[in-house]
Amino acid sequence: DTGVSQNPRHKITKRGQNVTFRCDPISEHNRLYWYRQTLGQGPEFLTYFQNEAQLEKSRLLSDRFSAERPKGSFSTLEIQRTEQGDSAMYLCASSFIFRGVYGYTFGSGTRLTVV
Amino acid sequence: GIQVEQSPPDLILQEGANSTLRCNFSDSVNNLQWFHQNPWGQLINLFYIPSGTKQNGRLSATTVATERYSLLYISSSQTTDSGVYFCAVGRQSNDYKLSFGAGTTVTVRA
Repeated sequence: DTGVSQNPRHKITKRGQNVTFRCDPISEHNRLYWYRQTLGQGPEFLTYFQNEAQLEKSRLLSDRFSAERPKGSFSTLEIQRTEQGDSAMYLCASSFIFRGVYGYTFGSGTRLTVV
Repeated sequence: GIQVEQSPPDLILQEGANSTLRCNFSDSVNNLQWFHQNPWGQLINLFYIPSGTKQNGRLSATTVATERYSLLYISSSQTTDSGVYFCAVGRQSNDYKLSFGAGTTVTVRA
């Protein structure tokens, strides 16, 4: 168990370009979450998966955002036509829920800067 | 969603001092976690503590679920304790999604 892995760690892109981030969760965990954190704020929920099914998307997730988790393993978060307001830290977390007991483990995040 | 308030927003400590961080939440929860975010942005889980008291080295935490608050204690603070501390809560009826407070920024000076 090497924890939750995210890459890249940093991404600088020009406005209008597409970007894709990857998250590899802890293998035994059945849930995978994406959060976004802007400067000086706590992380905010974006979307989550139970195995391969995407169960909920936040209102923060515009149509330019899409997330996938093929085969219930790793997940990707794609942002199309990036805007400066998309600049943030994108955090991935996984958890295992059993009999109402669970805890999150977060990855190191991908810091996106849109110039 | 559940509202989470953390206090104080900022804390400056001299190395060796003790401190208490507080987290108030607006509804009953199934999960409460304290995280430390290091300067590189990683959220490190400190405690999973929906109720009761736990200790890990110089850190300890207490959650009084019936009164909807949690406390994080830092004793004999060190410069490596600097960073932002987040409280996050979740509940089954909200499908276990975590709601975070705004954090407490701790600066420990040598």
